[in-house]
Amino acid sequence: EVQLVESGGGLVHPGGSLRISCAASGFSFRNYRMHWVRQAPGKGLVWVSRINRDGSTTDYADSVKGRFSISRDNARNTLYLQMNSLRAEDTAVYYCATAISIFGSGSMDVWGQGTTVSVSS
Amino acid sequence: DIVMTQTPLSSPVTLGQPASISCRSSQSLEHSDGNTYLSWLQQRPGQPPRLLIYKISNRFSGVPDRFSGSGAGTDFTLKISRVEAEDVGVYYCMQDTQFPLTFGGGTKVEIK
Repeated sequence: EVQLVESGGGLVHPGGSLRISCAASGFSFRNYRMHWVRQAPGKGLVWVSRINRDGSTTDYADSVKGRFSISRDNARNTLYLQMNSLRAEDTAVYYCATAISIFGSGSMDVWGQGTTVSVSS
Repeated sequence: DIVMTQTPLSSPVTLGQPASISCRSSQSLEHSDGNTYLSWLQQRPGQPPRLLIYKISNRFSGVPDRFSGSGAGTDFTLKISRVEAEDVGVYYCMQDTQFPLTFGGGTKVEIK
């Protein structure tokens, strides 16, 4: 079964750091671009970051550029998001997602259940 | 960034009746490769998003045929031919034609 499982969320103070993870299983993780998408409480979906198959190319939303860093370990089938200088507005559920059966079609057909990050003093 | 505007914000629908959601983009979503990377996702309460439609009108595997997508350029529509109770949730359009990927604000479908 194709699966993405996020972990590592929690409560952090403003200015603090947190690393969240996404464990992939059931597919050849190293062959697919991966994304992070977040959703603030009661709000819509916002794309955060993406990484190509071998980790050599990364992209970020302007709101997180310079503070967040996406990476992957293809040997461990795991995606990461290192979040530094966290702000209250980073409070959200963070989803990892990818496109497997619709590869190249400009969307995401596999989503994790999400991990919650809360930034508060 | 391309802005995606969805209407209505909320759509109360009677069971068995149709529903329609509009999504308008601030720029044409036709890519230079000839494809239009507009998709629709459904998010049921307490669940992660789920892909329904990709490239305007392609229904994803397992999606009931009561869901259909149409449109071109900057104007797109998701239609549910006969709303069922399990269709309650928020629907998002999404574009991946131009970086960065952007989502519409969402349309809540609820039962009257």
